Amino acid sequence: DQQVKQNSPSLSVQEGRISILNCDYTNSMFDYFLWYKKYPAEGPTFLISISSIKDKNEDGRFTVFLNKSAKHLSLHIVPSQPGDSAVYFCAASADFGNEKLTFGTGTRLTIIP
Amino acid sequence: DAGVIQSPRHEVTEMGQEVTLRCKPISGHNSLFWYRQTMMRGLELLIYFNNNVPIDDSGMPEDRFSAKMPNASFSTLKIQPSEPRDSAVYFCASSFSRPRNTEAFFGQGTRLTVV
Repeated sequence: DQQVKQNSPSLSVQEGRISILNCDYTNSMFDYFLWYKKYPAEGPTFLISISSIKDKNEDGRFTVFLNKSAKHLSLHIVPSQPGDSAVYFCAASADFGNEKLTFGTGTRLTIIP
Repeated sequence: DAGVIQSPRHEVTEMGQEVTLRCKPISGHNSLFWYRQTMMRGLELLIYFNNNVPIDDSGMPEDRFSAKMPNASFSTLKIQPSEPRDSAVYFCASSFSRPRNTEAFFGQGTRLTVV
């Protein structure tokens, strides 16, 4: 049973426009959410996180939104740049930390120059 | 800091052989995680250790898989005997989990191919 779901396997966005990546979860115990970015032949790298006491967290071009009632979070990248082309993983944990992260299957983002 | 170091980067082995993957976590981190990435299931947590003690191994697929962490700077994931369906990229990650939470840092992964 996939507790963290990324329903879009791929997404293409024009350079300079907004990229919106979505993630849904089913486990009500999740209280900490993270986005990781992965380039080919490299390990995932941490991008941004949000705890369930917030509904928005911003870091430069990256903003994560959390809708607890809908069990949905999204990552906004504005403006999108070619270097943003990567696979993005949504992850969740149940202890306000990062032990036992449950990952989604990832969304491949391609930024078109 | 060199980050999380995994070896080997690539491993090709024949079905039935024993495979050992190695990981050196970031110095000072007290949690270590082994993940497996496949196309179908994405990133799955296999096992994690806290202060060298296995906390949750519910993700380990079956008895052919075993993991050890003899000290704070080294961990192994062993598959014996290996099967073609074990082919995947295996990641090790580490973090400092208590009392100050940090995000998990991943190694570059070991791509395992079992033929």
